[in-house]
Amino acid sequence: DAKTTQPTSMDCAEGRAANLPCNHSTISGNEYVYWYRQIHSQGPQYIIHGLKNNETNEMASLIITEDRKSSTLILPHATLRDTAVYYCIVRPNTNAGKSTFGDGTTLTVKP
Amino acid sequence: GAVVSQHPSWVICKSGTSVKIECRSLDFQATTMFWYRQFPKQSLMLMATSNEGSKATYEQGVEKDKFLINHASLTLSTLTVTSAHPEDSSFYICSASPNSGRGTDTQYFGPGTRLTVL
Repeated sequence: DAKTTQPTSMDCAEGRAANLPCNHSTISGNEYVYWYRQIHSQGPQYIIHGLKNNETNEMASLIITEDRKSSTLILPHATLRDTAVYYCIVRPNTNAGKSTFGDGTTLTVKP
Repeated sequence: GAVVSQHPSWVICKSGTSVKIECRSLDFQATTMFWYRQFPKQSLMLMATSNEGSKATYEQGVEKDKFLINHASLTLSTLTVTSAHPEDSSFYICSASPNSGRGTDTQYFGPGTRLTVL
């Protein structure tokens, strides 16, 4: 799986947008970008994924650059409950495609 | 999204005993499930890939005789930590993807099992 690089930590004010970047410069053509988050002592929670087009769901938006070498996860209105470790993963979009976790970004939403 | 459960959510055992952890896909079938381990303040580390009806594939450095994996049905995989020792104390997490055969095969994670070996 391609390696991803994320900042170690970020802060965000409650109610503001949180923009979490991820670099995946060695991504392959068949690999998707997935985002998960992990709240302390829980399993990772799926947020969103995409191949090359920007995606949006009820949780977040995903912006993927045209060359697919980087992406940004956007939480439009961060709340205190969004404080978590956010992982960016690239993997083939098959049920056998394993997820390799990097260190992720610890997002702290402050009042 | 799809739901993956784990049982038990936490377990405390004595050194030398064996512990079985179950991973179930509640509303979908999964040919493949994955087992991860997470130590405090660290990221998830993939231990093995569990394949229904066949042997598991272990990552480098993971002892297959210590971490026994059985994937007997399309909704259940078990991880047995044999002869557990304190260094096996960790947070064990499983994941699975629906066998959709089309489009998105998002991987969903269980809530994790906290193992403490005394």
